Amino acid sequence: DGGITQSPKYLFRKEGQNVTLSCEQNLNHDAMYWYRQDPGQGLRLIYYSQIVNDFQKGDIAEGYSVSREKKESFPLTVTSAQKNPTAFYLCASSIRGGSYEQYFGPGTRLTVT
Amino acid sequence: AQSVTQPDIHITVSEGASLELRCNYSYGATPYLFWYVQSPGQGLQLLLKYFSGDTLVQGIKGFEAEFKRSQSSFNLRKPSVHWSDAAEYFCAAGGLGDGGTSYGKLTFGQGTILTVHP
Repeated sequence: DGGITQSPKYLFRKEGQNVTLSCEQNLNHDAMYWYRQDPGQGLRLIYYSQIVNDFQKGDIAEGYSVSREKKESFPLTVTSAQKNPTAFYLCASSIRGGSYEQYFGPGTRLTVT
Repeated sequence: AQSVTQPDIHITVSEGASLELRCNYSYGATPYLFWYVQSPGQGLQLLLKYFSGDTLVQGIKGFEAEFKRSQSSFNLRKPSVHWSDAAEYFCAAGGLGDGGTSYGKLTFGQGTILTVHP
């Protein structure tokens, strides 16, 4: 079955530690996206990549970093510089960059204490 | 700037009643419009999409949406709600700006939480 996988489902870290969230897709999509979701705030775009080895900052990129070395993979690192990292993180992909429909993974809930 | 507004934060309906969730957008000349549904702790699932053509769009799970350019709206409807429809619903917009250039991403509304009473 084609789809997007995010692992792990739940992640716990101590404050001051960097943590990397995994996102893999086997849909052969060119574009991939990372969103952060907080209660009552909808989805906010962190980073997106329209092609391998290229990515752009979204609306709330500070304290986050990404890489896109393979078409299938778009890992997100939450650094210690992110002031309030506890949130639900969603990865998505679309057939190519632009305004096409996006398909979402199941999400990772990160808790930092 | 592009924006999507969902005026209702929370809607409650009785099972079997009809449903309409509102979405207004502010976008360029050619908006692409989407509705997604999210169950608690899950990812988003695409319900339907509008790119062009017929302004009444059918989706999965019995949902439909109507694009009204004059009102800048794309409201989601269902004639008879089931208890399993309780979830959060997101409207999203993308598309081409006035210069014909894609914005490269989607803009999401804040979401509407739907509660269904038995």
